[in-house]
Amino acid sequence: EAGVVQSPRYKIIEKKQPVAFWCNPISGHNTLYWYLQNLGQGPELLIRYENEEAVDDSQLPKDRFSAERLKGVDSTLKIQPAELGDSAVYLCASSLGVTDSYEQYFGPGTRLTVT
Amino acid sequence: AQSVTQLDSHVSVSEGTPVLLRCNYSSSYSPSLFWYVQHPNKGLQLLLKYTSAATLVKGINGFEAEFKKSETSFHLTKPSAHMSDAAEYFCVVSEGSGYALNFGKGTSLLVTP
Repeated sequence: EAGVVQSPRYKIIEKKQPVAFWCNPISGHNTLYWYLQNLGQGPELLIRYENEEAVDDSQLPKDRFSAERLKGVDSTLKIQPAELGDSAVYLCASSLGVTDSYEQYFGPGTRLTVT
Repeated sequence: AQSVTQLDSHVSVSEGTPVLLRCNYSSSYSPSLFWYVQHPNKGLQLLLKYTSAATLVKGINGFEAEFKKSETSFHLTKPSAHMSDAAEYFCVVSEGSGYALNFGKGTSLLVTP
């Protein structure tokens, strides 16, 4: 069974440029999460989707970040414009259900460097 | 509010010796607790989880953790370290039936020959 797929794995951009990350969850997983992991820290939730609906985006900085999950499968996270402080690893995870009874499976992440 | 504190940012052990990674939690309700491992350039992987059943939880790769409510601890142990255990380990808490995982800052485990 294929795991959570993320691309690109690495991205280097200049500040003020836009950037997008893509995530393909495990087949059949209706719940999808985007996490931010700063260096030396644990991941922090940015947004959670149930199918195509964003049901928790309270931690997403909406002035520059946006996300979508068209057709309830793949998802894209976008930053526009990027700032130096956005340098981090962006993780995508998926699960069969919404409670912690369901394991969250994580992708390898996209490492973003903003110069 | 729920949170975890990982008491050591780095732990170094010799191959074949026991591993102890310490975690204390804070939760207003009956928590679910997890340990995740992150190898370089790989996704986070669930090692084990506690969800109010047996207090001693066995996970993959020989790891286990014991939930101690009186001490608000959930320490991760392994009897004998292997070189492949070198990785970053995260203690995680979520409350009740919620989905939100709150990660600790991580403990980097180094295994020396």
